[in-house]
Order: sequence, then C-alpha cells, then structure tokens
Amino acid sequence: EDQVTQSPEALRLQEGESSSLNCSYTVSGLRGLFWYRQDPGKGPEFLFTLYSAGEEKEKERLKATLTKKESFLHITAPKPEDSATYLCAVQAAGTYKYIFGTGTRLKVLA
Amino acid sequence: ETGVTQTPRHLVMGMTNKKSLKCEQHLGHNAMYWYKQSAKKPLELMFVYNFKEQTENNSVPSRFSPECPNSSHLFLHLHTLQPEDSALYLCASSLYDNQPQHFGDGTRLSIL
Repeated sequence: EDQVTQSPEALRLQEGESSSLNCSYTVSGLRGLFWYRQDPGKGPEFLFTLYSAGEEKEKERLKATLTKKESFLHITAPKPEDSATYLCAVQAAGTYKYIFGTGTRLKVLA
Repeated sequence: ETGVTQTPRHLVMGMTNKKSLKCEQHLGHNAMYWYKQSAKKPLELMFVYNFKEQTENNSVPSRFSPECPNSSHLFLHLHTLQPEDSALYLCASSLYDNQPQHFGDGTRLSIL
C-alpha cells in the first residue's frame, strides 16, 4: 500500500537554528514527490517537485532532496516567517492521485 | 487575481440543508480536484476532473455531488450532510495530471 510518513510531527526552532524535516514514502513506482507549505487558514502553497533519486531543489532558505525511500526538507537559518505546516505528497506511477503525509508543524522563535 | 479562488470561505449548515461550494481557477489548467482536510489527518482526495471529465471518485458518499461545467469551474453540491463532514474543503488545479497541483484557500464547513 502506498504510504507517506512525515517526521517530526512538530518542531520548534530558534531563529537561525538550521534543521531538516523528513518525508518517508513507500510507493509502487514514484512519479513525483511534492513539498507544500500551509499557513493557518490558507490552502497549501506549492514549493518543490522532485522526480528522481539524487535530485535537489532550492528556494531561499529551503532545500529539498530525494532518495529512493525518503525526502528531506532542509531549512537553513530559519526566520519566524518560515513558521508553517510543511506537507509532503507522493504521486505513484500510472496515477494522478497524490498521497499526502500529515505534515510537520514548524515554529520558529525570534 | 489569485490563481484558485474558492467561495464561500466559511459555511455553516444544518444536516438537512442543501448548499454548494464553488471553485474557479484562472491558471489555464486542465485538471481540477476536490480534497477534504480534517484535523490530524492527511488531505483526502475526493474527486478528480481531467478536461471536464470525472476520472476519480475516491469512494465518496453520495451526499457529495461534484459538477465541472468547464475547465475553469468546479462545484461541490452538498445535501443531507453529517457532523463528521465538518472540515476544510480544498480545491486544486494542475495543468496536466502529472504537474504540481495549486490549491485555493478552502471552504471551512461546519455542520450543526
């Protein structure tokens, strides 16, 4: 069964304290892995797509990496405005269906 | 103008009411989706429309009825809902089914 597990469930960081969020997945052939950011009262905002192991994407303080079993979202020197829930989703080969994880709630303290 | 717009943003209804949620996308996308988001649960895909044709119905109860009159508009008709249907309902769109999905800000639905 296709499955996505995100860890940790919640994370508190001091401003400037770098860390990583994990997304582990099992899927019968990966079509794509997607990272989203969701602020309270808002819909998920698209961040990155990764398609194959070894691929990396960067945007400002965020960097996403992908292996055959998991993806990491690295946050370098975070700021309070990076506080949000980060969602990971996978799309299996031959389907348009996204399987979402439950997300990591990130809080960055000033 | 924002890419995916959902109305209303909030809706309170009784179990016997009939209401509709509306989604409009201004991105020129060909696929549209309805999701349900409940606390502590992953987003659940409900329906998928690809070029106006329904291609997925993820075992959703018949009290939820989707409608896609064209590639830019998507509706979710609601009737005889249950308290457990209270959730955030999100609409998304993508250019093609293998492209990233872009979400609206959702309709917060409360069933009394």
